[in-house]
Amino acid sequence: SQTIHQWPATLVQPVGSPLSLECTVEGTSNPNLYWYRQAAGRGLQLLFYSVGIGQISSEVPQNLSASRPQDRQFILSSKKLLLSDSGFYLCAWSVHTGGVETQYFGPGTRLLVL
Amino acid sequence: DQQVKQNSPSLSVQEGRISILNCDYTNSMFDYFLWYKKYPAEGPTFLISISSIKDKNEDGRFTVFLNKSAKHLSLHIVPSQPGDSAVYFCAASDNAGKSTFGDGTTLTVKP
Repeated sequence: SQTIHQWPATLVQPVGSPLSLECTVEGTSNPNLYWYRQAAGRGLQLLFYSVGIGQISSEVPQNLSASRPQDRQFILSSKKLLLSDSGFYLCAWSVHTGGVETQYFGPGTRLLVL
Repeated sequence: DQQVKQNSPSLSVQEGRISILNCDYTNSMFDYFLWYKKYPAEGPTFLISISSIKDKNEDGRFTVFLNKSAKHLSLHIVPSQPGDSAVYFCAASDNAGKSTFGDGTTLTVKP
């Protein structure tokens, strides 16, 4: 069966510090991978998605970046965090069945920037 | 322009009653619709889906209805239980398989 891992679970970082959040998927190959952010009281905002190694699409301009160094590894990074980067970050992978995509989410990382 | 809208940010119902969560979309290219459920501090989990060729899909206490002409879908939960209290996200998928999410509706089921 497939599983998706995210770490760390929670993170408190000062403004201006760097960020690295990691996501790995097990039990599947060549998955589509996604990074979402859920700000307090808000919906899911798609940040990045990747259809393969080294292939990253950005949905929203920001000071975050993403990389996919391996097939089942997706990393969200920032060189300098902003206060507005606080939120709940979710990684997801998807499977296409009959032309429809169903996404499976990781447990999330709660980031607080102070 | 937001293509998937959940106009009610919150809904409160009594245990045992019906919960109806609504979702509207604007893109006629969407051909598959999904509902996800999310508890605090956890990732969303897939709940139920419906293809655009159907108008109803049922799974236990959960039923999703689709009105293509109105570009509207709804999730019915009957009977509602306290454990159903969560944020419910509507998502729409186009023929490329890419999903667009609504902002979510927080459902509270009171004992």
